[in-house]
Amino acid sequence: AQSVTQLGSHVSVSEGALVLLRCNYSSSVPPYLFWYVQYPNQGLQLLLKYTSAATLVKGINGFEAEFKKSETSFHLTKPSAHMSDAAEYFCAVSQGAQKLVFGQGTRLTINP
Amino acid sequence: DAGVIQSPRHEVTEMGQEVTLRCKPISGHNSLFWYRQTMMRGLELLIYFNNNVPIDDSGMPEDRFSAKMPNASFSTLKIQPSEPRDSAVYFCASTLSGGGTDTQYFGPGTRLTVL
Repeated sequence: AQSVTQLGSHVSVSEGALVLLRCNYSSSVPPYLFWYVQYPNQGLQLLLKYTSAATLVKGINGFEAEFKKSETSFHLTKPSAHMSDAAEYFCAVSQGAQKLVFGQGTRLTINP
Repeated sequence: DAGVIQSPRHEVTEMGQEVTLRCKPISGHNSLFWYRQTMMRGLELLIYFNNNVPIDDSGMPEDRFSAKMPNASFSTLKIQPSEPRDSAVYFCASTLSGGGTDTQYFGPGTRLTVL
């Protein structure tokens, strides 16, 4: 079965600093990988997804993620954090045709 | 363009009562998913439908939970009888199915509290 592990349930960075949210996956087949963001009291919104094309994937709001097969990782980064980036971030792997398996989430806090 | 619509947004009920959550997917989408989110278990897929047919309900916790999709624009998730451990945020998501890379669009969720 496929699974996702997000390292760090809570990450805190200063405004303007680099954001790095870690995600490792387990999959017996080439995976499809996703990052979603959830703002307070809202549903999840897709940030970006990897579909076996380019290994460096650019998403919305300045986020990007790099697929590294050798490390089974799909870490999310943003060069400069903004206060509006404060949210919970979920990494997910597709399981089968449509099912998504989500990680436990990482809450990102931005310090002024 | 309206997104996924869920109702009610909040539901407070007493243990033993029947609860019905509703979802209207994005028009034209042919797959619908029900998720549950709790602090302890995170985000779990309960069931999903493709072209109104349940495809995988392995995530449904027990017989107290049931889901239906009578047509392409409406789905319900019913809990009968409800228990305090069912308290969670329930999300509905939809997509236009075309393969494993389909983006799922989430509704705002229903926050259920069972007293």
